[in-house]
Amino acid sequence: KNQVEQNPQSLIILEGKNCTLQCNYTVSPFSNLRWYKQDTGRGPVSLTIMTFSENTKSNGRYTATLDADTKQSSLHITASQLSDSASYICVVSAGAQKLVFGQGTRLTINP
Amino acid sequence: DADVTQTPRNRITKTGKRIMLECSQTKGHDRMYWYRQDPGLGLQLIYYSFDVKDINKGEISDGYSVSRQAQAKFSLSLESAIPNQTALYFCATSGPPFWPQHFGDGTRLSIL
Repeated sequence: KNQVEQNPQSLIILEGKNCTLQCNYTVSPFSNLRWYKQDTGRGPVSLTIMTFSENTKSNGRYTATLDADTKQSSLHITASQLSDSASYICVVSAGAQKLVFGQGTRLTINP
Repeated sequence: DADVTQTPRNRITKTGKRIMLECSQTKGHDRMYWYRQDPGLGLQLIYYSFDVKDINKGEISDGYSVSRQAQAKFSLSLESAIPNQTALYFCATSGPPFWPQHFGDGTRLSIL
């Protein structure tokens, strides 16, 4: 069964600190892995897309890593800001038409 | 203006009513999708369309129907709403395969 699991389910950190969110997947065939940010009351917004051959990809203070052998990905946020408070969703593409969504990690940044 | 617009943003209705959620996009994308989001669960695909003449069922299509009126418009209908269809509904669009999806801001639907 295709599954994407994210840990932790929720996380609270202080502004300025770094954090890492985890994503484990059992999806076949693997095409790519995406991270989305979803602000409260808004739709998800794409942060990164990584293919099988990419190990690391950055988007500003967001850095995603992918280990296709262990089927794990992480999203590292550097120097967190209040605006980083959101849910972060890991999505794995199984072929051209199938996307498997994780349940998300709810991140709260406190001043 | 938003690239993907959903209407209404909020709707409260009663069991048994017919409901239509609408989605329009200005991105010029051929592919459009309807998802449902429940607390603690990942987004689940209801229906998707790769062009005006193409409609496909997703994982949870029972109780739902769709219409692709034009490249830019994709509507979702609940023929006879039931309480367990209470959820947040998202429309999304995408360009070629493997490109990122662009989501609307959702419709919060409550069925009493």
